[in-house]
Amino acid sequence: AQSVTQLGSHVSVSEGALVLLRCNYSSSVPPYLFWYVQYPNQGLQLLLKYTSAATLVKGINGFEAEFKKSETSFHLTKPSAHMSDAAEYFCAVSRSSGGYQKVTFGIGTKLQVIP
Amino acid sequence: DAGITQSPRYKITETGRQVTLMCHQTWSHSYMFWYRQDLGHGLRLIYYSAAADITDKGEVPDGYVVSRSKTENFPLTLESATRSQTSVYFCASSDPGLAGGLSHEQYFGPGTRLTVT
Repeated sequence: AQSVTQLGSHVSVSEGALVLLRCNYSSSVPPYLFWYVQYPNQGLQLLLKYTSAATLVKGINGFEAEFKKSETSFHLTKPSAHMSDAAEYFCAVSRSSGGYQKVTFGIGTKLQVIP
Repeated sequence: DAGITQSPRYKITETGRQVTLMCHQTWSHSYMFWYRQDLGHGLRLIYYSAAADITDKGEVPDGYVVSRSKTENFPLTLESATRSQTSVYFCASSDPGLAGGLSHEQYFGPGTRLTVT
């Protein structure tokens, strides 16, 4: 079985502060892990992904995430928050199952950036 | 334009009516998916399709029907809409054939906000 847990459905940070969004996964096999971002009234778009090539993954808009197998975590960070980062962020775990890509999404974390 | 589109973007319907949500992608991706997004639940998979004429149930398929006669289209039909189907519906596509099969990244449409009264 595979699942993801996002700690904190709402996170508020001040503009310029560190952004840390937490994601823990459970998977019986080495996973593919993703972070997606959803801006208001839009679909999800890929922020970054982990596919076992490197444990520190850099994504778009200055975000990065570190895969830690010992902690089963894939937390998303950004050194300095910008107003445009206000959005909802979803962690997801994916693996192949009988030729089908089975993806499980977390419930999402809504990021508020305070000026 | 290339990409994945959904129509309509907004729909209000009455309980018991049949409604079809459309999804079209221009990439010729083999996989397509339908999700619903509800507060507190994240995204839940309704149905998926691995190729034309190949579909299968996801996590929450009851009350929904899909078809895929062409690779680029994947309509979702609510046979008899209920209030519990009020939600935002997202279509997505992917092609594990890209990037040597390791990508597994999904591309999402803009969503359809459905209200059942």
